[in-house]
Amino acid sequence: DGGITQSPKYLFRKEGQNVTLSCEQNLNHDAMYWYRQDPGQGLRLIYYSQIVNDFQKGDIAEGYSVSREKKESFPLTVTSAQKNPTAFYLCASSKTTGTGSSYEQYFGPGTRLTVT
Amino acid sequence: AQSVTQLDSHVSVSEGTPVLLRCNYSSSYSPSLFWYVQHPNKGLQLLLKYTSAATLVKGINGFEAEFKKSETSFHLTKPSAHMSDAAEYFCVVSETSNQGGKLIFGQGTELSVKP
Repeated sequence: DGGITQSPKYLFRKEGQNVTLSCEQNLNHDAMYWYRQDPGQGLRLIYYSQIVNDFQKGDIAEGYSVSREKKESFPLTVTSAQKNPTAFYLCASSKTTGTGSSYEQYFGPGTRLTVT
Repeated sequence: AQSVTQLDSHVSVSEGTPVLLRCNYSSSYSPSLFWYVQHPNKGLQLLLKYTSAATLVKGINGFEAEFKKSETSFHLTKPSAHMSDAAEYFCVVSETSNQGGKLIFGQGTELSVKP
C-alpha cells in the first residue's frame, strides 16, 4: 500500500526546544516537499528536495532545517529560532519534473505542532 | 510570476444543488493547474489536474473543471452536491518552467453543504 506517512499526528513542545517531524514515502518519488498551513491560509513552502543529499529553501525557510539522506525520508526540524512554530505541517512528494512538465504532488496526513 | 486567486473564501450550497468554486490564475508560461480537497485535519487529496490536454477536465467524486485561457480561469464544478463534499478546496498552479515543479496555492475556499 503506497503512500506518505507523517508522524506523529499531534506534537506538543515547550518554547525553546527543537523538534523533528518525520516524513516517509514509498512511492519511489525523487522530489519531496514540506509545507506549513495556518488557519484561513493556503499552504506555504518551507523546503523542497529534488534528489538525495540536495535541498532548496522555499518561501519561509527561516527557523527550519531539513536533511535528505535517503530517497524515502525527508525529516523537518523546527528550531527554537522559528518565531511562530505552532501550525499544521504537511509533507508531499512527486515525480521529478522536467522542463515544461509538472507532476502532481501527493500529500501525507499532516502533523499538528503546538508550541507553548 | 505565477499566482492564483480563489474568488470566494466560503461557499454554501444545499445538498443536491450545483457547486461552483471559482479560481483565476496568472502565469507567464503554459500552466499546469490542479484542484485539491482537504477535509478537517487531513492531508490534501488531488481532485483533478489540467496539463495542456483537454480543456474540460474530469476528476474524482463527480467534480470537473474547465480551463479557459482567455479568461485565465479554472473554475471547479459539480452538478449535485453531497454532504461529504463539505471541505476546503484549493486551486493550485505549477511553475512548469523551472524550480522543480513548485506549486502555488490559492487561499482556499471552504464549501459548506446544508441538508
